[in-house]
Order: sequence, then C-alpha cells, then structure tokens
Amino acid sequence: DIQMTQSPSTLSASVGDRVTITCRASQTISSWLAWYQQTPGRAPKLLIYKASTLERGVPSRFSGSGSGTHFTLSISSLQPDDFATYYCQQYSGFPWTFGQGTKVDVK
Amino acid sequence: QVQLVESGGGVVQPGRSLRLSCVASGFTFSDYGMQWVRQAPGEGLEWVALISYDGTQSYYKDSVKGRFIISRDNSKNTLYLQMNSPRTDDTAIYYCAKEEHDHWGQGTLVTVTS
Repeated sequence: DIQMTQSPSTLSASVGDRVTITCRASQTISSWLAWYQQTPGRAPKLLIYKASTLERGVPSRFSGSGSGTHFTLSISSLQPDDFATYYCQQYSGFPWTFGQGTKVDVK
Repeated sequence: QVQLVESGGGVVQPGRSLRLSCVASGFTFSDYGMQWVRQAPGEGLEWVALISYDGTQSYYKDSVKGRFIISRDNSKNTLYLQMNSPRTDDTAIYYCAKEEHDHWGQGTLVTVTS
C-alpha cells in the first residue's frame, strides 16, 4: 500500500497567516493527489484535485503543488473559516489512502 | 444539485451483518464510479471500497476484503455496502462519495458492539 505522511500533525496559526501543509507519498503517485478540508461533524470537502487543480467554488487563497512524492497545500491568508483539519489522499493505486490529517488551530 | 444520502447505520453485534445504502440524485449516477470512506470516532479518514460506474469492477481496503461487498443498482441510483462479520474496529461514520471526490454524503454511523 502507498503510505501518505502529512506534516505537521497540528499547526497553530493566526488569521492572515500564510500556512503550508506537506504530504509525502511512500512511492511516486504522479499528480494523483487530492486535498480535503473537514470541520467537526461535517463531511470532508474537496479543495484540490490532481495535486494543483482548484475545485470549483473553493477560494483562490488555497493552492496545491507538487508531483511524484512531495506535495504541499498552501493557504495564502488564513481566514476564520479555515480553522479545520486537512487531509491529503492518493488515488494513484488501490487501495487509495489518506494522510493522517493536519489540524489547523488558533494560535 | 448533487445529493448523496446514506442510511442503514446503527448498532450491530460483531459477526452479524448490516447493509448500508446511499441514494444519489442530481447527476447521472450510472456514469460515475462510487466509493465508501469511513472515519472512526476522533480519528482520520480511511478509504474502504470503490465500484466502477457499471458495477463490473470493485476494489477494497485489505482489512475489509472478504467481509464487505460494495455493489450498486443503477436503476435505483443506489450504492450499497454489505458489511458481513463486522468487527469492533469497523465502528465508524461511513460516507459515500463520487469517485471524482467532489461530492460526499453526510455519513451514517455504524457501531459494532456486543
């Protein structure tokens, strides 16, 4: 199975901060990577697919980059709605796998 | 608008069976692969299974292979997850989602306990 490792596990930040989350794959996955945002009690929401394509309706302060084994999700200026948990997911090979999550909380 | 509505969750004893359903609307269900993803209480997301648009191909997480069966009825716009011989570590919220990852249901809670 392809292991996905996110860092950090927790990130403390303030409104207006630039935030970067990293996701590493245990083997190359090309650009078959998605990023999700999840708030408590809610289903995950797709932010980015194919590593860098912004899902329709997602604010442009979110961006994704990377290919192969190293990927990043960036939020250019953190907003109050962005305090949440973020997950990466590879869909290059079965079984699809998620990272363990990164919780962005208030500093 | 796209809607995915899961049902069938509840409390089940280890070794018994449970079938989850996911009714889709707002898109052509038969054109899309579908997946199940779960989340144990307080834990992260875990991919469970995927079925192709026509039901001819399916894929599973290793720990559910041989116990769970994903299926679909395109005439009823419905996705299923048959959970046989569930274990306590199958306790989770189960979400259905499109293969394209872009739409998810609200989830249904399955609790496996004696």
